[in-house]
Amino acid sequence: QLQLQESGPGLVKPSETLSLTCTVSGGSISSSNSYWGWIRQSPGKGLEWLGSIYYTGSTYYNPSFKSRVTVSLDTSKSQFSLKMSSVTAADTAVYYCARRPLSTVTVDYWGQGTQVTVSS
Amino acid sequence: QSALTQPASVSGSPGQSITISCTGTSSDIGAYNYVSWYQQHPGKAPTLMIYDVIKRPSGVSNRFSGSKSGDTASLTISGLQAEDEADYYCSSYTTSSNYIFGIGTQVTVL
Repeated sequence: QLQLQESGPGLVKPSETLSLTCTVSGGSISSSNSYWGWIRQSPGKGLEWLGSIYYTGSTYYNPSFKSRVTVSLDTSKSQFSLKMSSVTAADTAVYYCARRPLSTVTVDYWGQGTQVTVSS
Repeated sequence: QSALTQPASVSGSPGQSITISCTGTSSDIGAYNYVSWYQQHPGKAPTLMIYDVIKRPSGVSNRFSGSKSGDTASLTISGLQAEDEADYYCSSYTTSSNYIFGIGTQVTVL
């Protein structure tokens, strides 16, 4: 059974960079059948897809976040990461890592989520 | 890109059927058969219930079914049970290669 687990700081200061890591277990992060991505959820904006990466390193971003978000892959550690620059209080949310199967456009596996608060 | 439109809340008695609507545009729901539905209990991550408009992942009860007409998708829960009380979100792929969600519907079992 595929499992995803987020990790990273729960508190980030305004204007700094948010960095999160997702560790994948129970399956190969190098699988050609998967895209790996990040989704966040806040009371004000609901669920928002941030970006995804394929095992080849190809990345795909939500146009609303493209200038601030970077998703990267470390196959040796079975991890992928999210970096979001110049954060503000509006970026306070629960951040989920997730898997999208190659065969369609959906999210079939989610991490448990990690709360990130932006505050000085 | 705007979020998909869902009713804020829907309720029903045990055993009844309820339907949740999800309205988009010709650039998202109307453009592709890539509509998904997720169930979320408080404090938990969302769980996939329906994908590709009508398909159920392995392990999801056949009491859950999906459909689509034009720019509107629907999720029907038949034989409503107490455990179905949760928030439900729809999602769709878009013509701008984006992935958007609905604002969520709270389902209450009376």
